[in-house]
Amino acid sequence: GAGVSQSPSNKVTEKGKDVELRCDPISGHTALYWYRQSLGQGLEFLIYFQGNSAPDKSGLPSDRFSAERTGGSVSTLTIQRTQQEDSAVYLCASSPTGGNSGNTIYFGEGSWLTVV
Amino acid sequence: RKEVEQDPGPFNVPEGATVAFNCTYSNSASQSFFWYRQDCRKEPKLLMSVYSSGNEDGRFTAQLNRASQYISLLIRDSKLSDSATYLCVVKGPSSGGSYIPTFGRGTSLIVHP
Repeated sequence: GAGVSQSPSNKVTEKGKDVELRCDPISGHTALYWYRQSLGQGLEFLIYFQGNSAPDKSGLPSDRFSAERTGGSVSTLTIQRTQQEDSAVYLCASSPTGGNSGNTIYFGEGSWLTVV
Repeated sequence: RKEVEQDPGPFNVPEGATVAFNCTYSNSASQSFFWYRQDCRKEPKLLMSVYSSGNEDGRFTAQLNRASQYISLLIRDSKLSDSATYLCVVKGPSSGGSYIPTFGRGTSLIVHP
């Protein structure tokens, strides 16, 4: 498809398990962002990729969270030893370029994570 | 102080009303500004970019005041379909040094018949 694609759309996992969330950005977009939105809350920035590099990881809440991007395209966000407070929707967005450009960012539909 | 602040509302208005939302941001180095719309349990979608000279898109008008670090959105002739949460977005340098879009928590609008 032409938009940002995320999988899985929904994931229920047991506390302590690891989860992987995938994002396939719009083709040709070099900038990729991960955000998290807890129920009734605003979007919380997690990490920014420019190409395969992550110049800004300042939003990752703990060392249980990591992300990578390969081939300048697909990104995976991994949460190790999940906790109940990790329950949220994880939103991926991409943009033609990053930096201080005024480019719009386009979101995927999100991965809804529930930790039980 | 939050980086991007909005009145959460809800703003409850009748169809046809004019409603205005405000947003303030704390980082004077911010470069780009947007309004996004988010429907319940959906992803945010761009409503419009905000330019220094102000800009209009149909019933929607956005204004930016850099000196006061203030952004506004005006919706005229409200429709039922305008009911949503409106997110103020500011792109500026983060604590990590990159230009990152930072989202306000949103203003909820409910348009009733």
